[in-house]
Amino acid sequence: DTGVSQNPRHKITKRGQNVTFRCDPISEHNRLYWYRQTLGQGPEFLTYFQNEAQLEKSRLLSDRFSAERPKGSFSTLEIQRTEQGDSAMYLCASSLADRVDTFGSGTRLTVV
Amino acid sequence: GNSVTQMEGPVTLSEEAFLTINCTYTATGYPSLFWYVQYPGEGLQLLLKATKADDKGSNKGFEATYRKETTSFHLEKGSVQVSDSAVYFCALSGPGGSYIPTFGRGTSLIVHP
Repeated sequence: DTGVSQNPRHKITKRGQNVTFRCDPISEHNRLYWYRQTLGQGPEFLTYFQNEAQLEKSRLLSDRFSAERPKGSFSTLEIQRTEQGDSAMYLCASSLADRVDTFGSGTRLTVV
Repeated sequence: GNSVTQMEGPVTLSEEAFLTINCTYTATGYPSLFWYVQYPGEGLQLLLKATKADDKGSNKGFEATYRKETTSFHLEKGSVQVSDSAVYFCALSGPGGSYIPTFGRGTSLIVHP
């Protein structure tokens, strides 16, 4: 297993377009987390899945954001009608136990 | 709510110098405390953790002690190497069953040969 994989690594999009990111967690991990990180800040929690169930969502996750984990394996994060303020690094993490110990390298989104 | 405050960086040191990165937290009850490291171009990795007061987490020569009385979890290393250059994040989770970490802003460490 090569760890948590995120695709694409970089995405540049025009304001108003929709984007979708994918996260493939470590195969036996049942918990999956999405975070957002802007320059000079620590990661901010967006949402959390246990298996296919989305158990928590941050208030940061506006109605333009949606995340899915349909079969309890990979997850997608979609942002509709992107805004310049959405430009950030989007991080995915997975875990088996009660600690978050494995992050992917992230998807860097730039909205122009 | 829970929050974490880290010293601002960058911290610039010469190889073999002693490292301290300060971290203090605000939380009700007894959270778990963590240090994560992010090397250039890579994802965050859990470096060490402590789950109760006076616990000491350690890994790769780094240590941090959970101090309830000062609500602190300072990261230390006795002799840094160039390869330790990275961004270090202090984080907490819980108490009360939520395992989702809240992160500090991160502290950049630059070690010169």
